[in-house]
Amino acid sequence: QQQVKQSPQSLIVQKGGISIINCAYENTAFDYFPWYQQFPGKGPALLIAIRPDVSEKKEGRFTISFNKSAKQFSLHIMDSQPGDSATYFCAASNTGGTSYGKLTFGQGTILTVHP
Amino acid sequence: NAGVTQTPKFRILKIGQSMTLQCAQDMNHNYMYWYRQDPGMGLKLIYYSVGAGITDKGEVPNGYNVSRSTTEDFPLRLELAAPSQTSVYFCASSRLTGLAFEQFFGPGTRLTVL
Repeated sequence: QQQVKQSPQSLIVQKGGISIINCAYENTAFDYFPWYQQFPGKGPALLIAIRPDVSEKKEGRFTISFNKSAKQFSLHIMDSQPGDSATYFCAASNTGGTSYGKLTFGQGTILTVHP
Repeated sequence: NAGVTQTPKFRILKIGQSMTLQCAQDMNHNYMYWYRQDPGMGLKLIYYSVGAGITDKGEVPNGYNVSRSTTEDFPLRLELAAPSQTSVYFCASSRLTGLAFEQFFGPGTRLTVL
């Protein structure tokens, strides 16, 4: 019940296109959903996050869409650029429970944006 | 601020050897974490700490030990290294001040056990 399932495992997009990465969770106690971005040879870094009281959050070219009833959330990257090529991880946390501060990560998506 | 620092960057161990992966943060964060990252498997939590002197197991703690004697440092000990411990290890820290939090990651240690 602690799993977060992420798809696709890899994604190739042309420059200017839209990249979409999906995540699904089972634990209904999760109430915080961040996305992390990782460049080769680096540690992950927070990109954008959402709480379930809103259905969408946008920061620049990055948007999280959240569907509470389906227990799914997705990352959309508009006007994808070669510099967006990285591994993206979705994650989830139950901030109201004993696991506050802990994140459960998805398996990761390797995004390649071709020029 | 240096953020989260990890040493060494790379290490090759022989089966049965032991080593300590060092992690330090200068952000005065109360929470610290150790993860391992394997291809296609995401990040798995090994151990975490909510403050000096307090540690707890994560999802994959077997074969590892931790200690937290100061706020700044959170070393990870591998005893009797096995090939299954070949992985990239990340240390992270976080200050929890509300309903959202950010984990800051170090650059990682790539460990190979032969």
